[in-house]
Amino acid sequence: GNSVTQMEGPVTLSEEAFLTINCTYTATGYPSLFWYVQYPGEGLQLLLKATKADDKGSNKGFEATYRKETTSFHLEKGSVQVSDSAVYFCALSEEGGSEKLVFGKGTKLTVNP
Amino acid sequence: DTGVSQDPRHKITKRGQNVTFRCDPISEHNRLYWYRQTLGQGPEFLTYFQNEAQLEKSRLLSDRFSAERPKGSFSTLEIQRTEQGDSAMYLCASRRQAFGEQFFGPGTRLTVL
Repeated sequence: GNSVTQMEGPVTLSEEAFLTINCTYTATGYPSLFWYVQYPGEGLQLLLKATKADDKGSNKGFEATYRKETTSFHLEKGSVQVSDSAVYFCALSEEGGSEKLVFGKGTKLTVNP
Repeated sequence: DTGVSQDPRHKITKRGQNVTFRCDPISEHNRLYWYRQTLGQGPEFLTYFQNEAQLEKSRLLSDRFSAERPKGSFSTLEIQRTEQGDSAMYLCASRRQAFGEQFFGPGTRLTVL
């Protein structure tokens, strides 16, 4: 079945450092890809998405590009802030039917001042 | 606040007891999803409704689990004869049919003693 594999955490960075969280997927069709974020004590929020190959999703300084040839959707940010500390989930949505989300295990990011 | 709401936020119960959770989706969202998230894992799909019809159930949803959405608005998830392995965060999400993101509620954290 479809699956998502993302970089194991935790990841600890200093403020203004560059962030990459790797995400690869396995899917039979052409899924949509997502990054969700879970801040401490809060629910899951959509951070960005891409619906087809070569699309770039971006939000709040975060970016990810849908790479069909490498089945990847890596999350990047050029300069992280303390407020970016959260758990990040890569996910895919299967085409047709329910379009339920299939999530990776999550990567916890801590940014120190 | 017009987001997805869930009640209760926390539930502690003894093994063997029945529990019921409620989810109120964003109004006019006709798709509703239930997910389960255990510690250190990403959310896993449990079941999905389109209006009042339950259209898909995961194999994770054993016979002890039942979900309803009687009028196509709020939904309930019941677990009968709870087991310690049922301890998890139960998440509800809603979306408009066929497009748009899934919006997640804050979750109900279940602890089975």
